Amino acid sequence: KQEVTQIPAALSVPEGENLVLNCSFTDSAIYNLQWFRQDPGKGLTSLLLIQSSQREQTSGRLNASLDKSSGRSTLYIAASQPGDSATYLCAVNRDDKIIFGKGTRLHILP
Amino acid sequence: DAGITQSPRHKVTETGTPVTLRCHQTENHRYMYWYRQDPGHGLRLIHYSYGVKDTDKGEVSDGYSVSRSKTEDFLLTLESATSSQTSVYFCAIRTGGYEQYFGPGTRLTVT
Repeated sequence: KQEVTQIPAALSVPEGENLVLNCSFTDSAIYNLQWFRQDPGKGLTSLLLIQSSQREQTSGRLNASLDKSSGRSTLYIAASQPGDSATYLCAVNRDDKIIFGKGTRLHILP
Repeated sequence: DAGITQSPRHKVTETGTPVTLRCHQTENHRYMYWYRQDPGHGLRLIHYSYGVKDTDKGEVSDGYSVSRSKTEDFLLTLESATSSQTSVYFCAIRTGGYEQYFGPGTRLTVT
């Protein structure tokens, strides 16, 4: 059974710092991995999708990497801003279902 | 947002009453999903659909049923609501590129 883990559950970082969020999964046979952002009381916003054949994807200040063999993905956020404060979730896709981690709650300190 | 709407956005209902939540999409995606999100449990799949009249169960399907009579609409029904079904419910679609997009959510309270 696929399990997705995100550690730490919460993280506080001073504004301007670069940071890395971690995601690990137990079954490397995945189609892709997707990173989402969720603001309090809101739905999920897709940030980046990495196909299983890819090693990384970039969007603005965000860079996501994927290492299937080790069952790990990282989301790198450069030059963090208070507006980056949110919960970040990763999800792995295999077959018709997607399995989510429980997220990392990120707080950027002004 | 991939043109996904959910209705109602908020609902309070009593234990034992039936409740139907609606998810509507405007882009004719084949796959649609219903999730619930609860503190400590994260997002859990309830049911999903891979076409009109084609549905399958997720990990927390007990007490829920779904229907999809049109491509654009996916309904989630709680036959007899219980307090344990108090949650935030999200609908999502999956594109041909296997990317998921989510609706704004429905906050359901069962009293």
